[in-house]
Amino acid sequence: QAVVTQEPSLTVSPGGTVTLTCGSSTGVVTSGHYPYWFQQKPGQAPTTLIYDTSSKHSWTPARFSGSLLGGKAALTLSGAQPEDEAEYYCLLSYSDARVFGGGTKLTVL
Amino acid sequence: QVQLQESGPGLVKPSETLSLTCTVSGGSISNYYWSWIRQSPGKGLEWIGYIYYSGSTNYNSSLKSRVTISVDTSKNQFSLKLSSVTAADTAVYYCAKGANPHYWGQGTLVTVSS
Repeated sequence: QAVVTQEPSLTVSPGGTVTLTCGSSTGVVTSGHYPYWFQQKPGQAPTTLIYDTSSKHSWTPARFSGSLLGGKAALTLSGAQPEDEAEYYCLLSYSDARVFGGGTKLTVL
Repeated sequence: QVQLQESGPGLVKPSETLSLTCTVSGGSISNYYWSWIRQSPGKGLEWIGYIYYSGSTNYNSSLKSRVTISVDTSKNQFSLKLSSVTAADTAVYYCAKGANPHYWGQGTLVTVSS
C-alpha cells in the first residue's frame, strides 16, 4: 500500500501565507490521484475543503486553494486567520484504494 | 443538504463484531458512493472502504478480511461490520458521502474492551 506524506507541523503568522504538501511513496502526485484536502479542528469531524486537486465547496473560504506543486499536491492558505489553526489531512486515490496522509498540524501564531 | 448520522454500540468486546449504521437524510442514498473512515484516539484518519448504492464495494486491503459494508436503499442507510475486533480497533468511526468524502457524519466512538 502506498504511503502518503505530509509535514507533521507548520506555523504561520496571522495574515501570512503557508503551503502544505502531500507526497506519494509511488512517485509524482498527479491530477489522476484526485487529491482531497480536509480540515479537522479538535473534537470535531473533518470537513472537506478541496477536492480533485483544486475544486472548492461552497463552504471553503476563498483564502484556501489547491494545486500541484513540485510533484506533490499542495494546499495554500493565503491570509491566515486564527480560526484556521487545525489539523489538515490530504487523501490520494490509487485505482480502487484511498490513502490518507498523516496530517499537518497548522499553528497560527 | 445531506446529513449523515452514525449509530451503534459504543462498547464492543474483543473478538466480537463491531456493527455501525449510517442514516442518510436530506437526500437519497441512490446513485452515490458512501464511505467509512476511522480515527484512533490522537491519531490520523484511516480509510476503511466504500460502497456504491447498487452494492459494489471496495475495502482497505489491511482490513479486507474483517470488513463488510452493506447498503439498504429502502431505509436510506448503509452499514459497517468489522469482525474479530481488538483494542487496536478502538476509534471514532465516521460515515461519509462519496468514494472520496465530501460530507461527513459527526462520528461515533467505539471502544473495544472487555
